[in-house]
Amino acid sequence: KNEVEQSPQNLTAQEGEFITINCSYSVGISALHWLQQHPGGGIVSLFMLSSGKKKHGRLIATINIQEKHSSLHITASHPRDSAVYICAVMTGNTPLVFGKGTRLSVIA
Amino acid sequence: KAGVTQTPRYLIKTRGQQVTLSCSPISGHRSVSWYQQTPGQGLQFLFEYFSETQRNKGNFPGRFSGRQFSNSRSEMNVSTLELGDSALYLCASSLTGGALYEQYFGPGTRLTVT
Repeated sequence: KNEVEQSPQNLTAQEGEFITINCSYSVGISALHWLQQHPGGGIVSLFMLSSGKKKHGRLIATINIQEKHSSLHITASHPRDSAVYICAVMTGNTPLVFGKGTRLSVIA
Repeated sequence: KAGVTQTPRYLIKTRGQQVTLSCSPISGHRSVSWYQQTPGQGLQFLFEYFSETQRNKGNFPGRFSGRQFSNSRSEMNVSTLELGDSALYLCASSLTGGALYEQYFGPGTRLTVT
């Protein structure tokens, strides 16, 4: 079974700062997901990637398949980015395996 | 397109009772997955249904069951509720499941067992 580790567990940043959240996994994967969960519980899928880099607005996700590592970057962070960010991986058609999440607080 | 809907949103039950939760996927999506989220264990996979068949099952006791209807709507049932079943239950839909397609999550059902 894949083991997914995220770091840091908690992160506090000042508005405008550049933020990086890391995710590493133990077994080769078919796809990696970055999810965002706001208080109240709803989960939004931010990225699904299997190689390289994706960008959406101020969010950038990268993955290094050889090193079994992915990063989520937030540029020019804003208080509305405050949420829990969760990394999840899939191997073949096996179910998603989730990391424990990174709780981000952005202070104005 | 309407998103994934889950009903009810909140539920309070007593130990020993049973509960049924419902999930309506995005129109056209045929795969529905269910997840349990607790503060201690985080998000854990319960099961996945595709075209009315259970395709994958997580490591949960037999008290947790589910089904999918011909219109892709899905229900999950928990019998003989225990205090530890208190959690946020999320469902997610995708076109066919697997690694190729993104999953879209519903808002969740928060179950409290007293």
